[in-house]
Amino acid sequence: DAGVTQSPTHLIKTRGQQVTLRCSPKSGHDTVSWYQQALGQGPQFIFQYYEEEERQRGNFPDRFSGHQFPNYSSELNVNALLLGDSALYLCASSPGAVETQYFGPGTRLLVL
Amino acid sequence: AQSVTQLGSHVSVSEGALVLLRCNYSSSVPPYLFWYVQYPNQGLQLLLKYTSAATLVKGINGFEAEFKKSETSFHLTKPSAHMSDAAEYFCAVSEGDSWGKLQFGAGTQVVVTP
Repeated sequence: DAGVTQSPTHLIKTRGQQVTLRCSPKSGHDTVSWYQQALGQGPQFIFQYYEEEERQRGNFPDRFSGHQFPNYSSELNVNALLLGDSALYLCASSPGAVETQYFGPGTRLLVL
Repeated sequence: AQSVTQLGSHVSVSEGALVLLRCNYSSSVPPYLFWYVQYPNQGLQLLLKYTSAATLVKGINGFEAEFKKSETSFHLTKPSAHMSDAAEYFCAVSEGDSWGKLQFGAGTQVVVTP
């Protein structure tokens, strides 16, 4: 049984560009949450998707947006990249919005 | 509002010694509490969780944690450290109308010395 998968593993962008990160949840999971983990810090909640809708959102600007597809996979989009957006982006899936979350390996984004 | 404080950003333990990682939380309602471990260049792996059942929770790899409401604590312990326990450990809380939103502490880096 494949766990949570994320692509790409690493990404380098320049300021002002846009980026899309992708996540496939564990089999049987219908909820996807996204977190940003800056170097040396704990993960920060960005938002959660369930039934193709954003259900909860953390304190992130509108530059951060997402989408969930009918097969429960999800994308995180970040527009107008800033240097401060450099981080490890983690996707977590769960079999319901309030169930235990299981994390993928993350996508490491570097903004130059 | 919920928050998590992990005391000690770095902990060094000898192989075979007790591992004790401290976590205190603030929550206006009974919370769910979690410990995750992160190995270098990897995502987070769930060690254990408290969801209002037994206050002493046993997890994987010999770890356990005790929920103490009076102390608002959820400290993680392991009786005997192994070299493979070297990693970063995160305590997290979720509560109330935002059950799906995990609030993480800053993490504790564990170094195990021979």
